[in-house]
Amino acid sequence: TQLLEQSPQFLSIQEGENLTVYCNSSSVFSSLQWYRQEPGEGPVLLVTVVTGGEVKKLKRLTFQFGDARKDSSLHITAAQPGDTGLYLCAGEGETSGSRLTFGEGTQLTVNP
Amino acid sequence: DAGVTQSPTHLIKTRGQQVTLRCSPISGHKSVSWYQQVLGQGPQFIFQYYEKEERGRGNFPDRFSARQFPNYSSELNVNALLLGDSALYLCASSLPRAPSVNEQFFGPGTRLTVL
Repeated sequence: TQLLEQSPQFLSIQEGENLTVYCNSSSVFSSLQWYRQEPGEGPVLLVTVVTGGEVKKLKRLTFQFGDARKDSSLHITAAQPGDTGLYLCAGEGETSGSRLTFGEGTQLTVNP
Repeated sequence: DAGVTQSPTHLIKTRGQQVTLRCSPISGHKSVSWYQQVLGQGPQFIFQYYEKEERGRGNFPDRFSARQFPNYSSELNVNALLLGDSALYLCASSLPRAPSVNEQFFGPGTRLTVL
């Protein structure tokens, strides 16, 4: 069974601060996807990382895939209240078809 | 282009009843997956269908079943509902971008409450 441990579970920061969310596993993933979810809505895909060591940037968000493809991080620079939401990492296993294994999520609150 | 659509948006049932949830994938997507998300947790995989065939099943009891139609839409059925089945049920469609890379796009979900 593949597991993804996501940390921290909760994060409350002030506008303008930086933050990092971590996603770790003992399993290798063929790809890893980051989502953001608002209350009562479905997750929205932010980015997919595929290659070990890959770094992708989406405005103030930077995503990194570990060299061994077992871990990933999401870094947000100068957080804004609009960044508030539930951030989820999800891995696609090398032998599990296209099913995604999700982390528990990080609930981010950015206070103005 | 329309995204993944799900119906109904909300549903209230009582224990022992049966429920059917519906999903229409993004146009051109042939794979549909179902996930259950309990409040405060990440989504848990239930089923995946591709070209009308079941391609994967998560750790859920036989009370859960699904099917995919020729137009690639899908239904999730849950029999003999339990209180613990209360959750947000998410449908996702995907189009393989490369071998082993299947970006999944989620619908808004169906909020099921079992009383």
